[in-house]
Amino acid sequence: GAVVSQHPSRVICKSGTSVKIECRSLDFQATTMFWYRQFPKQSLMLMATSNEGSKATYEQGVEKDKFLINHASLTLSTLTVTSAHPEDSSFYICSANGLVLETQYFGPGTRLLVL
Amino acid sequence: GENVEQHPSTLSVQEGDSAVIKCTYSDSASNYFPWYKQELGKGPQLIIDIRSNVGEKKDQRIAVTLNKTAKHFSLHITETQPEDSAVYFCAASGEGGSTLGRLYFGRGTQLTVWP
Repeated sequence: GAVVSQHPSRVICKSGTSVKIECRSLDFQATTMFWYRQFPKQSLMLMATSNEGSKATYEQGVEKDKFLINHASLTLSTLTVTSAHPEDSSFYICSANGLVLETQYFGPGTRLLVL
Repeated sequence: GENVEQHPSTLSVQEGDSAVIKCTYSDSASNYFPWYKQELGKGPQLIIDIRSNVGEKKDQRIAVTLNKTAKHFSLHITETQPEDSAVYFCAASGEGGSTLGRLYFGRGTQLTVWP
């Protein structure tokens, strides 16, 4: 149990376009979902925390108008990178809290490349 | 906020040897300490976790120890195998944090197991 999926796994887009990444908890209801960004050979950097039906809480330095998060249901959260630029290229990973509140299960990640 | 330090940043061992990764944390209110394994190009996978009411936990070849007084916890992998090669992250979380369930990660340890 406790499976989190992400779609797409990889995306290449042109500069200026918007990209949507979906995060789903497949076999449990996630009260909270987290979005991370990870650069090569670095740790995970928390971007925002989202709870179903409420606005996401963004970490300091993360532009909320650029990284739009929608937590539509207890099993789905989406991250939209608006007007993407090459510096937005990164590995984006979501996670979700399981039945035990503090246990986070991670998705497989989405590799974004902006040309 | 919480600050998690992780050492070493890289660790090379011979197959069959043991590997130990150590982490320290700063917030005495933290009470949950998971360890994640991340293979190249994939999302982190929870391998073991421990809560502050427990001093040690073991799961086959993997064990975690926690010293609340000293605020440090360690991951022990015995009889290492080449497939154990990955980046390992420690993390800390607790209700003392600003976001319930938020994880604070160490910088990661690249473990390489040589056959």
